[in-house]
Amino acid sequence: AQRVTQPEKLLSVFKGAPVELKCNYSYSGSPELFWYVQYSRQRLQLLLRHISRESIKGFTADLNKGETSFHLKKPFAQEEDSAMYYCALESGAQKLVFGQGTRLTINP
Amino acid sequence: DGGITQSPKYLFRKEGQNVTLSCEQNLNHDAMYWYRQDPGQGLRLIYYSQIVNDFQKGDIAEGYSVSREKKESFPLTVTSAQKNPTAFYLCASSPQGTSSGANVLTFGAGSRLTVL
Repeated sequence: AQRVTQPEKLLSVFKGAPVELKCNYSYSGSPELFWYVQYSRQRLQLLLRHISRESIKGFTADLNKGETSFHLKKPFAQEEDSAMYYCALESGAQKLVFGQGTRLTINP
Repeated sequence: DGGITQSPKYLFRKEGQNVTLSCEQNLNHDAMYWYRQDPGQGLRLIYYSQIVNDFQKGDIAEGYSVSREKKESFPLTVTSAQKNPTAFYLCASSPQGTSSGANVLTFGAGSRLTVL
């Protein structure tokens, strides 16, 4: 069965420190992966998708098929990065499966 | 102003009552989705629809029903059969097929249902 696992429910780092939010998936096909973000009092929104291979707000994510991972990284955290982050997998027929989410807190 | 509108924002229901949550979009998206968001469990898919008059069960469809009579609308009914209906419900939509935005979901603001 398709599954997305985010092992950390909570992650706290200091401003300026590197950030890595982990995401692992299980899927037998060719995966399409996404990171969604929900800032305080805002709607859930797309942050980035692996096929775009772009950096958004300083975040990047590389698909590692060997490790079945799609970790989200940023070299220098900013206070405005504090939010809830969800990793998601398109599992066929436009059905997206989400992970449990990681709440990231950036301390000043 | 294009987007997804969910109503009501807050809803209270007595046990044994059915309740319908509204979701309307003016993005001309073909696909629409209902997710349930619970703390520590992420988003779980209830139902989704790729085209008018067609919909599929998600991972937790029991106790819920939907309809898709119009492209713009995808209402969710939480029935009395749903054992634990108190939750935050999110509606989303996306373009269909091979467009560049396919699989990119636009979300509504959500509806919080509390069963008393």
